Amino acid sequence: DTGVSQDPRHKITKRGQNVTFRCDPISEHNRLYWYRQTLGQGPEFLTYFQNEAQLEKSRLLSDRFSAERPKGSFSTLEIQRTEQGDSAMYLCASSPFGTSGSYEQYFGPGTRLTVT
Amino acid sequence: GDSVTQMEGPVTLSEEACLTINCTYTATGYPSLFWYVQYPGEGLQLLLKATKADDKGSNKGFEATYRKETTSFHLEKGSVQVSDSAVYFCALSDRGGTSGSRLTFGEGTQLTVNP
Repeated sequence: DTGVSQDPRHKITKRGQNVTFRCDPISEHNRLYWYRQTLGQGPEFLTYFQNEAQLEKSRLLSDRFSAERPKGSFSTLEIQRTEQGDSAMYLCASSPFGTSGSYEQYFGPGTRLTVT
Repeated sequence: GDSVTQMEGPVTLSEEACLTINCTYTATGYPSLFWYVQYPGEGLQLLLKATKADDKGSNKGFEATYRKETTSFHLEKGSVQVSDSAVYFCALSDRGGTSGSRLTFGEGTQLTVNP
């Protein structure tokens, strides 16, 4: 079990450019979550997948944001036409899902995005 | 909607002092409650959890009890160490522990422990 991994760890981009982040969850986990964390704040939910299906999206996820999990394994989060307000840490988490028990989420190290 | 409120920080303590970080929540239904910790330069780690009223979560000397009547989940430790310096986040899962859904986090409390 190598844990949740994210790539890249840091990304600096110019305003207006597109960026894409990748998340590899723990292999047996079928739920995958994306959160955004700005400096001094707690993480805010963006979206989550169960296998390849995107089940919920936050109103924070504007039309410029899109997330995919095509084969139910890794996921990508793309931001188009980046704005300075998109600068944040983007966190990925995964959890198992079943009919009993509690399923805590395990977080990756995050991708820090800086839009200049 | 669901929300979590944590005591304002930062908190600075001397080693071996007692710690309490207050957390209260607003939620519909019966959420699960969590404390996560974020050490400098690292990702979020689950510290402890409780899935129903009166449950007590504990780990590494930290404890928190799910109090439904006061909608609280305060984090406590009897004797803190320098290595406990980190940011602590209270969080709830709105669908409860069995289904697992989005986490709603508090703003975090920065703890600094001095030797």
